[in-house]
Amino acid sequence: AQTVTQSQPEMSVQEAETVTLSCTYDTSESNYYLFWYKQPPSRQMILVIRQEAYKQQNATENRFSVNFQKAAKSFSLKISDSQLGDTAMYFCAFRPFIGGGADGLTFGKGTHLIIQP
Amino acid sequence: DAGVIQSPRHEVTEMGQEVTLRCKPISGHNSLFWYRQTMMRGLELLIYFNNNVPIDDSGMPEDRFSAKMPNASFSTLKIQPSEPRDSAVYFCASSSRDSGYFVTDTQYFGPGTRLTVL
Repeated sequence: AQTVTQSQPEMSVQEAETVTLSCTYDTSESNYYLFWYKQPPSRQMILVIRQEAYKQQNATENRFSVNFQKAAKSFSLKISDSQLGDTAMYFCAFRPFIGGGADGLTFGKGTHLIIQP
Repeated sequence: DAGVIQSPRHEVTEMGQEVTLRCKPISGHNSLFWYRQTMMRGLELLIYFNNNVPIDDSGMPEDRFSAKMPNASFSTLKIQPSEPRDSAVYFCASSSRDSGYFVTDTQYFGPGTRLTVL
C-alpha cells in the first residue's frame, strides 16, 4: 500500500508571489504517476499537473511546475505569479503505473492555499 | 464535451432511508471510480470499474454500500440503510484505460454529490 503526505495544512501568500506546496509519498512501486488536483470552494476536483515517474524532466503547465525527486519520494508543486483564483485546496495524489487492482488514486490530506490581495 | 455528470448534487435524507447516487462518465471512457470525501478521512477510493466490471471494491466501507455499472454510460452507488456517518461528498471519476501494458489515463472528476444523513 502507498501513502501520500502533505505536511502543510494551510498556506497563505500575497498575490503575485511564488508559493511551493510540498508532498511526500511512500511506495514500493518503481513505476507510477503523481498528480496535483485543485479543489476550489465549488468542490470540483480539477487536474493541475501530472508527472510520470519514469520521466526525469519535471512537468510544467503555464504557472504551475513540479519538483519531482524520485529518490527522496518528493513531489512539490510550485505556483508562480499567484492569482486570487488560485485560492483552493490542493491535493497530491499517487497511482501505480500498472492496473490489476490498483488503478485508484491515493490522496494526501490536502493543503489549503489562500492568496491574499 | 460534457464532463462527468453526477446527480443529485445535494441529498438530504433521514437515517435508515435508502440513498442512490448516480453517475454518467465521459463518453468513451471505460474506467469509472467512486470516491468519498470527509473531513476526517479525506478522499478515499470506494470502488472502481473497468469495462463495466467491478475490479476493486475493497474500499467499500460495509455491506450497506453497493455499486453497479449496468452499461458504459451509467453507474449507481447505493447506501441502504443510510446512517449519519455516511454524510460526505461522493465523487465519481472516469478515465480512458488503454488495453496495453501501460495505463496512461487521467481521471476526470464529476462535481460531486453532497450527502447529508440526519
